[in-house]
Amino acid sequence: TQLLEQSPQFLSIQEGENLTVYCNSSSVFSSLQWYRQEPGEGPVLLVTVVTGGEVKKLKRLTFQFGDARKDSSLHITAAQPGDTGLYLCAGYGSGNTGKLIFGQGTTLQVKP
Amino acid sequence: DTGVSQDPRHKITKRGQNVTFRCDPISEHNRLYWYRQTLGQGPEFLTYFQNEAQLEKSRLLSDRFSAERPKGSFSTLEIQRTEQGDSAMYLCASSGVGLAGVSSGELFFGEGSRLTVL
Repeated sequence: TQLLEQSPQFLSIQEGENLTVYCNSSSVFSSLQWYRQEPGEGPVLLVTVVTGGEVKKLKRLTFQFGDARKDSSLHITAAQPGDTGLYLCAGYGSGNTGKLIFGQGTTLQVKP
Repeated sequence: DTGVSQDPRHKITKRGQNVTFRCDPISEHNRLYWYRQTLGQGPEFLTYFQNEAQLEKSRLLSDRFSAERPKGSFSTLEIQRTEQGDSAMYLCASSGVGLAGVSSGELFFGEGSRLTVL
């Protein structure tokens, strides 16, 4: 069974600080996705990383896919209260399956 | 609005009762997913459909859970003989192929149906 482990599970920081969230697996994924979820809403896709070693930037968010395609990270620079939410990494299972599995999530709280 | 819609948004029921949730996906999407989520945790995969075919079902899903997508459009998730441990948010998502005939793999989620079992 492919699993995605996220760390940390909870992060509380002050506005302006930087942070990194990690997503690790013992399995190889063809791609990994990052979603963000706000209370009372469903997750929304932020980015998909496909190529080993790939780095993608979305404003103050930087996403990296590990060279071996087993891990990914999300780095936020100068966090703002609007970044508060649940961050989820996700990947499709091995083989030709449409099953998308999620990590357990990282809850980020950014205090003003 | 052409997003994924779920009904009801909230359901409170007594232990032992049956409940049914409905999901209407984005109309051109051929894949439909059901997930269960508890507070502060990631969504747990339950099952998914491609058109009307149920292609995969989690082993965690007991026989009290059943999902259908009879015409390849909307889907229902039924939980029979509910237990307190079934209390959670049930999320539906859909995905489909783009103009080039290739799926981006992105899931579009509804706002969920929150179940409370007393």
